[in-house]
Amino acid sequence: AAGVIQSPRHLIKEKRETATLKCYPIPRHDTVYWYQQGPGQDPQFLISFYEKMQSDKGSIPDRFSAQQFSDYHSELNMSSLELGDSALYFCASSSGIGVYNEQFFGPGTRLTVL
Amino acid sequence: DAKTTQPNSMESNEEEPVHLPCNHSTISGTDYIHWYRQLPSQGPEYVIHGLTSNVNNRMASLAIAEDRKSSTLILHRATLRDAAVYYCILKTSYDKVIFGPGTSLSVIP
Repeated sequence: AAGVIQSPRHLIKEKRETATLKCYPIPRHDTVYWYQQGPGQDPQFLISFYEKMQSDKGSIPDRFSAQQFSDYHSELNMSSLELGDSALYFCASSSGIGVYNEQFFGPGTRLTVL
Repeated sequence: DAKTTQPNSMESNEEEPVHLPCNHSTISGTDYIHWYRQLPSQGPEYVIHGLTSNVNNRMASLAIAEDRKSSTLILHRATLRDAAVYYCILKTSYDKVIFGPGTSLSVIP
């Protein structure tokens, strides 16, 4: 079965550079979520989109922005990168939104900021 | 979001059942109990969810206390592949998943 696709899988950037992470949800899934997982930490919710509209926002820095496009893929844009942004970034997708909906996670993008 | 508490770590022998407990004494009537797990170097993976009744699927069983203040995830026969961090989550909103510390499960061959 098709899974969530994230690209790139690995990314190395310098401080103050920008980065764009992409997420392609499972076909027919209309909801996308972004999570950040620092070294040795639990995943932290950043932001989510339902039907191309932002549906919820977590602890996402102002330097980060995201959007969901007409084909439901999503991009997380990160500017003025800092060393502390080094983390695994997971995208998840689901069909609709609801307290009973399960989220399907992608393999993650490992961002290293030097 | 309502809070859950889980043991930091547990051990199990391979091919034996594992019972992973979770306390959620402040659960409200509309909160769903979800379990996710994260294998090393992988994204989190949905395991099971329930509201009031016990639930079974191909991966695990979820036993929910009658007062809903606690639940137990049951892996019927642990395999080495089940070694992971298991997260018990109360889904109060329709949207995000709030991960807590979770239980790190080790499976001993």
